[in-house]
Amino acid sequence: GAGVSQSPRYKVAKRGQDVALRCDPISGHVSLFWYQQALGQGPEFLTYFQNEAQLDKSGLPSDRFFAERPEGSVSTLKIQRTQQEDSAVYLCASSLDSSSGGGETQYFGPGTRLLVL
Amino acid sequence: QKEVEQDPGPLSVPEGAIVSLNCTYSNSAFQYFMWYRQYSRKGPELLMYTYSSGNKEDGRFTAQVDKSSKYISLFIRDSQPSDSATYLCAMIAGGTSYGKLTFGQGTILTVHP
Repeated sequence: GAGVSQSPRYKVAKRGQDVALRCDPISGHVSLFWYQQALGQGPEFLTYFQNEAQLDKSGLPSDRFFAERPEGSVSTLKIQRTQQEDSAVYLCASSLDSSSGGGETQYFGPGTRLLVL
Repeated sequence: QKEVEQDPGPLSVPEGAIVSLNCTYSNSAFQYFMWYRQYSRKGPELLMYTYSSGNKEDGRFTAQVDKSSKYISLFIRDSQPSDSATYLCAMIAGGTSYGKLTFGQGTILTVHP
């Protein structure tokens, strides 16, 4: 079956522009995560959704970052007034149901590579 | 200091070699330990998953967890050029309400023919 898909795969933005990154999780997966991966680093947690509820947004770097998942399926990560330090790969992952803790496998999408000039 | 430390390498080995990858961590709450493999311009994919201390083997891969030393390892036997990738250790704290992953920096591995 289809895995996690993300679009666009690449995005170049001028500093100050707003961007929106889309994630389509695996069908039926209720848990969805966003991670940020800087060059040469491991992914870092941004935010977590259980269905449409955003239960943890403690990893969002600033109030310029906003994520939503209004119908409990597709999710969008929005970055307002982009800065050069926002340049990174943004990864989306989904799992069947992570509400019981660490036992569920997270399946990652290919990521969106964002470059802010 | 980061919660999870991983030597970034790079590590270069000949085909057929045994590869050892390691991570240390500081958070004693970590209970779930994973190894992910990430090819260039792809997302991470789960290789091995271990709960608490112990060993786990899957084909050419063996994962070890030593909670007393806060140290985890991944061994790859008979390494192949197709194993060339970045290997990420990742951990989840027990008692959390969901599976938030904390990753190491990743080790770049190249297996040359």
